[in-house]
Amino acid sequence: AQSVTQPDIHITVSEGASLELRCNYSYGATPYLFWYVQSPGQGLQLLLKYFSGDTLVQGIKGFEAEFKRSQSSFNLRKPSVHWSDAAEYFCAVGSAGRRALTFGSGTRLQVQP
Amino acid sequence: DAGITQSPRHKVTETGTPVTLRCHQTENHRYMYWYRQDPGHGLRLIHYSYGVKDTDKGEVSDGYSVSRSKTEDFLLTLESATSSQTSVYFCAISPGGWGTDTQYFGPGTRLTVL
Repeated sequence: AQSVTQPDIHITVSEGASLELRCNYSYGATPYLFWYVQSPGQGLQLLLKYFSGDTLVQGIKGFEAEFKRSQSSFNLRKPSVHWSDAAEYFCAVGSAGRRALTFGSGTRLQVQP
Repeated sequence: DAGITQSPRHKVTETGTPVTLRCHQTENHRYMYWYRQDPGHGLRLIHYSYGVKDTDKGEVSDGYSVSRSKTEDFLLTLESATSSQTSVYFCAISPGGWGTDTQYFGPGTRLTVL
């Protein structure tokens, strides 16, 4: 069975600081990996996705993520956080044999001025 | 943004009453999904549809039914609402039907069952 772990429930960073959100997955074959962001009261917006190829993927809003097969990780990064990045971030894994995505429990990001 | 709307956006109801949530899309995607979001659980799949009148269960389908009579509409029904069904419900659509395809989410419906 596939699973996703986001170890950090809540993270606080200062505006302008760098950010890394952790995501670890468990899946036997090559996973399809996604990062979504959810602003308060909103739906989920796709930030980026990894299907194959280059292990460093670029997304919207200046985010990037790196797939590391040896560590079963797909961490999300941003060099300089803006106050508007405050939101909840979800990592998800999909596979060719399942209809649904499997989501992590989310990491809530707070940005301090 | 994908053209997905959900109605109602907020609903308060009482235990034992039936509730229907609607998802409407303008993208003509074949696949549609209903998820629920609860603190500490992320999103969990309730039901999905792979075409008109074609639906299947997800991991948390007990107490829920769905229907899809048109490509653009996917209805989620709670036949007799319980307090454990208090949640935020999200509809999603995708052009392909597997976990390898990007899913696009609607704005959500917050349901409170008293």
